[in-house]
Amino acid sequence: AQSVTQLGSHVSVSEGALVLLRCNYSSSVPPYLFWYVQYPNQGLQLLLKYTTGATLVKGINGFEAEFKKSETSFHLTKPSAHMSDAAEYFCAVSDYNTDKLIFGTGTRLQVFP
Amino acid sequence: SQTIHQWPATLVQPVGSPLSLECTVEGTSNPNLYWYRQAAGRGLQLLFYSVGIGQISSEVPQNLSASRPQDRQFILSSKKLLLSDSGFYLCAWSRGVYYGYTFGSGTRLTVV
Repeated sequence: AQSVTQLGSHVSVSEGALVLLRCNYSSSVPPYLFWYVQYPNQGLQLLLKYTTGATLVKGINGFEAEFKKSETSFHLTKPSAHMSDAAEYFCAVSDYNTDKLIFGTGTRLQVFP
Repeated sequence: SQTIHQWPATLVQPVGSPLSLECTVEGTSNPNLYWYRQAAGRGLQLLFYSVGIGQISSEVPQNLSASRPQDRQFILSSKKLLLSDSGFYLCAWSRGVYYGYTFGSGTRLTVV
């Protein structure tokens, strides 16, 4: 069965610093992978997704993620954090058997001035 | 374009009172529909999903129920709310995992 693990429930960075949020998945077949962002008291918004093709995926707000099959990872990065990036981030992997997404437990990103 | 509407945005209800949260999708047909709950400081918990009118699958036994009376309408209900039903409720729709999910703006439910 598919599963996803987000390492670190909380990540803190300084404004302008690199953002790295980790996501590892378990899947018996090549998965579809997603990153979502949730601002306080709002729904989840799609940041980016990997389905096939180029393994480096660019998303909104300057975020990108790289699909690494050998490491079963899909880490989210942004070169320079902005205060407005403070939010909760969820990684998700597709479950083809159920046609549903399996979500990680989320990582809360704090950005300090 | 497709849009998803979820209301109300906030709700404060006494213990033992009924609940009805509504979610509607526009601009698509036969969507997969989902209800999630987020308890404070916790991740997403899938409560119900539906692949068609009248077809509801429950992921966890609980005090809640769901219905899909129309193709693009998904309703979350309870006959008697418990304190533990407090949380942030999210509706989502999908055409399939390839496309991911699109989420509504959520309802903050506080049971007092």
